[in-house]
Amino acid sequence: SQQGEEDPQALSIQEGENATMNCSYKTSINNLQWYRQNSGRGLVHLILIRSNEREKHSGRLRVTLDTSKKSSSLLITASRAADTASYFCATDGYNNYQLIWGAGTKLIIKP
Amino acid sequence: DGGITQSPKYLFRKEGQNVTLSCEQNLNHDAMYWYRQDPGQGLRLIYYSQIVNDFQKGDIAEGYSVSREKKESFPLTVTSAQKNPTAFYLCASSPFRASGNTIYFGEGSWLTVV
Repeated sequence: SQQGEEDPQALSIQEGENATMNCSYKTSINNLQWYRQNSGRGLVHLILIRSNEREKHSGRLRVTLDTSKKSSSLLITASRAADTASYFCATDGYNNYQLIWGAGTKLIIKP
Repeated sequence: DGGITQSPKYLFRKEGQNVTLSCEQNLNHDAMYWYRQDPGQGLRLIYYSQIVNDFQKGDIAEGYSVSREKKESFPLTVTSAQKNPTAFYLCASSPFRASGNTIYFGEGSWLTVV
């Protein structure tokens, strides 16, 4: 079963609004990563947060990690139409090469 | 530019036929991966390779085979034993292990059974 589960499955907001996506996982982790996928394309790495970090920023992205709740959130501020994509979280898996991926949140930004 | 090249982008397979998806990287990465993605789903690991001439099964290796004869290349063969091969296939690489490292992806290949 998937360890990372994103919530919500789909999100539609107006351009300029903030978008928040959540990821929950089941077992303890060392790292959690967020990736973005445009429709029919490969995934692109957005940000990595380690278990000893609580918050990390990259441009308009803000990621938080709560290891006590086994959850992470990705906030995109001042959304743009170009942010329309699916967003996935990935957590440590059974070994150092096997990440576990959630089913993703599909984000639609309406102009 | 450095990156991962997958080919072909679209591939059609007849029943009982084996097909091979190509994956080439010029990032000088040791580790390479093949993932399968079904509509609305996350990624599932088919095979991964930590180093040349070595590869390991992932979660859904049945009906697939790989080789790693060169550091740059990690082709995936979808055999006739794979009963439901229609999916989007993604090749990826990382400098070393996936945990704690960025994974770089190709643009993907769509495989359809006709």
